[in-house]
Amino acid sequence: QVQLVESGGGVVQPGRSLRLSCAASGFTFRSYAMHWVRQAPGKGLEWVTIISYDGSKKYYADSVKGRFTISRDNSKNTLYLQMNSLRAEDTAVYYCAKDRAEWPLYYWGQGTLVTVSS
Amino acid sequence: SYELTQPPSVSVSPGQTARITCSGDALPKKYAYWYQQKSGQAPVLVIYEDNKRPSGIPERFSGSSSGTMATLTISGAQVEDEADYYCYSADNNGNQMFGGGTKLTVL
Repeated sequence: QVQLVESGGGVVQPGRSLRLSCAASGFTFRSYAMHWVRQAPGKGLEWVTIISYDGSKKYYADSVKGRFTISRDNSKNTLYLQMNSLRAEDTAVYYCAKDRAEWPLYYWGQGTLVTVSS
Repeated sequence: SYELTQPPSVSVSPGQTARITCSGDALPKKYAYWYQQKSGQAPVLVIYEDNKRPSGIPERFSGSSSGTMATLTISGAQVEDEADYYCYSADNNGNQMFGGGTKLTVL
């Protein structure tokens, strides 16, 4: 079955960087686009970014454009999110997610918490 | 920037019909999707492409879309339907987004 396991979260100071990973299994990773979605504590869902199956296309929410970079390593079945110049408002649980055919964001990981605080 | 607007909360009694709306200027041309999120859990897709139900979603969940508004309807809402509901769509530039979410209370 599809499994998505995020890691790399933690506490980081404003202005610093952090890289999240999402280990995928149970499907042919190299064939699917992947997303990152975040949720600040007590707040709603925010779509962050998407990468195409081969990494050639990437789209970002305006709130992270220029600071976050999505990438993937299809040989390792792993999705990444490089987060630079972090701000307090980036504090959230970060989920990786995968579509299922015409059902977007059907599979989700358990999330990893990023806290940006001095 | 483009936004999807939902009411913050909706409240119904068990057995009543709950309707949650989502408005956005691109909805006449873009599909709406609906997600249910219960406390401490990952979201679950309940409606896709405006009005279709994924397998395993109860028939009481339905969707519709007209003009700039999409609607999620829960006919005969049950206590276990109490959750946050989010609409999801894209703008005409392909940017994807969620609505602000609606807290459904069934009591």
